[in-house]
Amino acid sequence: NAGVTQTPKFQVLKTGQSMTLQCAQDMNHNSMYWYRQDPGMGLRLIYYSASEGTTDKGEVPNGYNVSRLNKREFSLRLESAAPSQTSVYFCASSETGELFFGEGSRLTVL
Amino acid sequence: GENVEQHPSTLSVQEGDSAVIKCTYSDSASNYFPWYKQELGKRPQLIIDIRSNVGEKKDQRIAVTLNKTAKHFSLHITETQPEDSAVYFCAAQSPYNFNKFYFGSGTKLNVKP
Repeated sequence: NAGVTQTPKFQVLKTGQSMTLQCAQDMNHNSMYWYRQDPGMGLRLIYYSASEGTTDKGEVPNGYNVSRLNKREFSLRLESAAPSQTSVYFCASSETGELFFGEGSRLTVL
Repeated sequence: GENVEQHPSTLSVQEGDSAVIKCTYSDSASNYFPWYKQELGKRPQLIIDIRSNVGEKKDQRIAVTLNKTAKHFSLHITETQPEDSAVYFCAAQSPYNFNKFYFGSGTKLNVKP
């Protein structure tokens, strides 16, 4: 089992460019999440999906969109990247409370 | 939403000593509190958790205590080893939406050999 895999691992964007972070899990979990991690601020929830076909906003959704493509896949899109979106992004999945995280994607917006 | 505060932000101990990290939360209805360990450049991983129906839980050298009245919970690591060096995050699950976790800001633990 690969667990949670996310791509890309690193990405550099210019302000105004768009990109999509991909995430897939093979644990048959219903819930999936996107978090961002910034120094001194812990992990903050951007969006989550409680089940296939549903998505909801977290603490910091502005500037992001998500798609729950099927039970396995949950993508995060930045339509017009801003320097404030420079961060490490983690995808996670869960079924009974424990969060299983991907390896993270380091995004830099210049 | 829930507010979770975590202290200290950095902690340096000598190998073999104990380390204690404390977190407070604001919503008295919260009832699930996990702790995650994140090694440098790695993903966060659950190391221990506690629910509000117990006051303490142990797993080998790691323990978590919960004081519901004071709304705080703590991670205790005994006989620390260099491989315990990492960033530790506490979290509280929202009692109104089980998909929402509120994380503390993290504690960077350095265990000196």
